[in-house]
Amino acid sequence: DQQVKQNSPSLSVQEGRISILNCDYTNSMFDYFLWYKKYPAEGPTFLISISSIKDKNEDGRFTVFLNKSAKHLSLHIVPSQPGDSAVYFCAARNRDDKIIFGKGTRLHILP
Amino acid sequence: DTGVSQDPRHKITKRGQNVTFRCDPISEHNRLYWYRQTLGQGPEFLTYFQNEAQLEKSRLLSDRFSAERPKGSFSTLEIQRTEQGDSAMYLCASSLDVEGEKLFFGSGTQLSVL
Repeated sequence: DQQVKQNSPSLSVQEGRISILNCDYTNSMFDYFLWYKKYPAEGPTFLISISSIKDKNEDGRFTVFLNKSAKHLSLHIVPSQPGDSAVYFCAARNRDDKIIFGKGTRLHILP
Repeated sequence: DTGVSQDPRHKITKRGQNVTFRCDPISEHNRLYWYRQTLGQGPEFLTYFQNEAQLEKSRLLSDRFSAERPKGSFSTLEIQRTEQGDSAMYLCASSLDVEGEKLFFGSGTQLSVL
């Protein structure tokens, strides 16, 4: 059973425009939601998180929105830059501190 | 470099052999996680430690898999009698329990079972 779902395997966005990556979850007991970024041959790196009691968290070009009623979160990157090309993983933390990842979305930033 | 380090980076083995991977977490981190990642998938949780105590094991972790974290420092993951289906990237991550959502990953060990 996939508790964290990223339904878009890939996304292409023009440099300078907004990138929106989406994620759905099924478990109402998650207390934190996270986004990780991964480059080839490296481990994932933490990008941004949001507590389940909030609906928005912003850090520079990155903003995460949480819609608990829809069990949906999204990551907005604006403006998109070439270095943003990577695989982005949505993740969620259980109350027992286990972090569960989605399958990832590959983001291509086009020149 | 004070990040999470994993050794080896790559391991090629024959089916039926035993392999052991090592992970050195960030020194002040008390939590350590093992994940496995296959092509096109996200990291799958295997197990995690709070200091030296192993708190949870995934049902993915068959009896052939064992992990240890003696003295709450480095950790080892051993796979006995490897099978071709064990081929994957094995990722280690560490965190502070007060910021448990921020995992710091190593670069992983790529295992190929022939």
